[in-house]
Amino acid sequence: AQSVTQLGSHVSVSEGALVLLRCNYSSSVPPYLFWYVQYPNQGLQLLLKYTTGATLVKGINGFEAEFKKSETSFHLTKPSAHMSDAAEYFCAVTVYGGSQGNLIFGKGTKLSVKP
Amino acid sequence: NAGVTQTPKFQVLKTGQSMTLQCAQDMNHEYMSWYRQDPGMGLRLIHYSVGAGITDQGEVPNGYNVSRSTTEDFPLRLLSAAPSQTSVYFCASRPSASADFYEQYFGPGTRLTVT
Repeated sequence: AQSVTQLGSHVSVSEGALVLLRCNYSSSVPPYLFWYVQYPNQGLQLLLKYTTGATLVKGINGFEAEFKKSETSFHLTKPSAHMSDAAEYFCAVTVYGGSQGNLIFGKGTKLSVKP
Repeated sequence: NAGVTQTPKFQVLKTGQSMTLQCAQDMNHEYMSWYRQDPGMGLRLIHYSVGAGITDQGEVPNGYNVSRSTTEDFPLRLLSAAPSQTSVYFCASRPSASADFYEQYFGPGTRLTVT
């Protein structure tokens, strides 16, 4: 079975500072990994995904994540935070063919950006 | 395309009442799913469907019923509402159970309160 752990339920950064949101996964087979963002009172929007190929994945709004198999991690980064990045971020995992590809979500990290 | 639509946006129920949350998608997606989101818990899968006439249980199915008579619609029924079902409910869909198509598209959510 797969699982996801997001370290830190709340992260606060200053505008212009580096954003680092941590995600570790557990899977006995190669995983597919996703980061979703949820703005207040809205649904989830895909930021980026890793399925196969290049381990550094670039997404929307300047975010990127690197799949590190040896560390079972898929941390989300952005070089310079903007006020509009304030939202909740969810890491999710699935595997090809398993459980019909159902997504398993982490508990989320709420990002605050201080002016 | 309207994408994934959910109705209603908000609902208040009394304990013991029943109701149906509606979900529709116009992207001809085979796979549809229902999640509930609770503070600090992330998103948890309630039920999912890999095509018309096929449904299965997710992580937290108790108290909920689903059916899939058409590709477009995937309603979620609360049989006898309980305060523990107070939550935000999200419907999601994706094209098929295929490696490149594991990205799910989410609806805007239904905020349900059971008193």
